[in-house]
Amino acid sequence: ELKVEQNPLFLSMQEGKNYTIYCNYSTTSDRLYWYRQDPGKSLESLFVLLSNGAVKQEGRLMASLDTKARLSTLHITAAVHDLSATYFCAVPALRTQGGSEKLVFGKGTKLTVNP
Amino acid sequence: DTGVSQNPRHKITKRGQNVTFRCDPISEHNRLYWYRQTLGQGPEFLTYFQNEAQLEKSRLLSDRFSAERPKGSFSTLEIQRTEQGDSAMYLCASRMKGQMNTEAFFGQGTRLTVV
Repeated sequence: ELKVEQNPLFLSMQEGKNYTIYCNYSTTSDRLYWYRQDPGKSLESLFVLLSNGAVKQEGRLMASLDTKARLSTLHITAAVHDLSATYFCAVPALRTQGGSEKLVFGKGTKLTVNP
Repeated sequence: DTGVSQNPRHKITKRGQNVTFRCDPISEHNRLYWYRQTLGQGPEFLTYFQNEAQLEKSRLLSDRFSAERPKGSFSTLEIQRTEQGDSAMYLCASRMKGQMNTEAFFGQGTRLTVV
């Protein structure tokens, strides 16, 4: 059964600092997704990582995928308050009976960026 | 609005009552998913439709839960005889079949509170 683990679960950082969130998963997958969730809101797609070695950047966020290590990272550069949110990684379960490719999510990393 | 739409946004109900939620996916998406999210957790998969066919259900989905997607368009999720443990955010997502590189797009969710 596919399991997805994120760490840290809580991250408090000062504006201007850098940090990395880690996402490990337990079974082979060729894709990984990062989502952002603001309090009381739904999930916003941030990155779609489709292959080993994939790297994508958007503003102060950069995501990478290593399928051999079953590891993805979300790197935050020079954090600003607007990045405060919960970040989820999600991995599709590829061999399900109904072919759903349902997403298995990590528990999320709650990021707070302090002025 | 071309995104995934869910109604109602909030529902408060008394224990033992039945509730029904609606999801309107992105019009050209034939894959539809329901997830449940409790406080501090990532979303958990409930069920999956491809067009009108319900192809996959999670073991989390008890007999009190039923979902439909008539004509492969909108979907409904009904919970009968609600219990306090059903309190959660219910998220609907849709995705286009046949394109490996697309992510699931989530609706705003329906927050259910059972009192």
